[in-house]
Amino acid sequence: RKEVEQDPGPFNVPEGATVAFNCTYSNSASQSFFWYRQDCRKEPKLLMSVYSSGNEDGRFTAQLNRASQYISLLIRDSKLSDSATYLCVAYSRGGYNKLIFGAGTRLAVHP
Amino acid sequence: DADVTQTPRNRITKTGKRIMLECSQTKGHDRMYWYRQDPGLGLRLIYYSFDVKDINKGEISDGYSVSRQAQAKFSLSLESAIPNQTALYFCATSDSGTSGGPKDTQYFGPGTRLTVL
Repeated sequence: RKEVEQDPGPFNVPEGATVAFNCTYSNSASQSFFWYRQDCRKEPKLLMSVYSSGNEDGRFTAQLNRASQYISLLIRDSKLSDSATYLCVAYSRGGYNKLIFGAGTRLAVHP
Repeated sequence: DADVTQTPRNRITKTGKRIMLECSQTKGHDRMYWYRQDPGLGLRLIYYSFDVKDINKGEISDGYSVSRQAQAKFSLSLESAIPNQTALYFCATSDSGTSGGPKDTQYFGPGTRLTVL
């Protein structure tokens, strides 16, 4: 089982739609969580960190449920420019004490 | 100018060849990482370095070696390339002062697309 799992999608949504991605993690000792955005053939870039139960940044809301070991990302009022792959990431202390990346969820926003 | 640079950006090589991928950063970060990305698998950590004298194996270090020549430089070598090392390789940096906390951010280079024939 992968340590961080995501639905690969693609999620095809019209502009203005609200879309939500879920991510589950298996290591209950994971301490911090992040969402990264990756455009096609480009490097991942941090979108937002997930603090305690969650946080909001403009149209983006991230939530963390430690009891169920999942993280979600909600995007409201989708824009064409939101089309990308969204990577769920967990920071886990362990063998290598580093970030563990999910395989990503692809979002395609159409006019 | 980009804060994290990688060279080359694209490379095609043959099985058995030795390949070196280079990474430089101007962010002043002490920690550097090498990842590979394959379709459907996400990024996987190859090696990481917390400072110039520190080198650690990641999840998939077999067939790879690294050198931290200076705080700003971290190179990845494939001693004898094989076709299943065909992938997109990313270098990343982070600041130990924020690592592991809510403000932890890894900054990635633009990637090197490596094809081994």
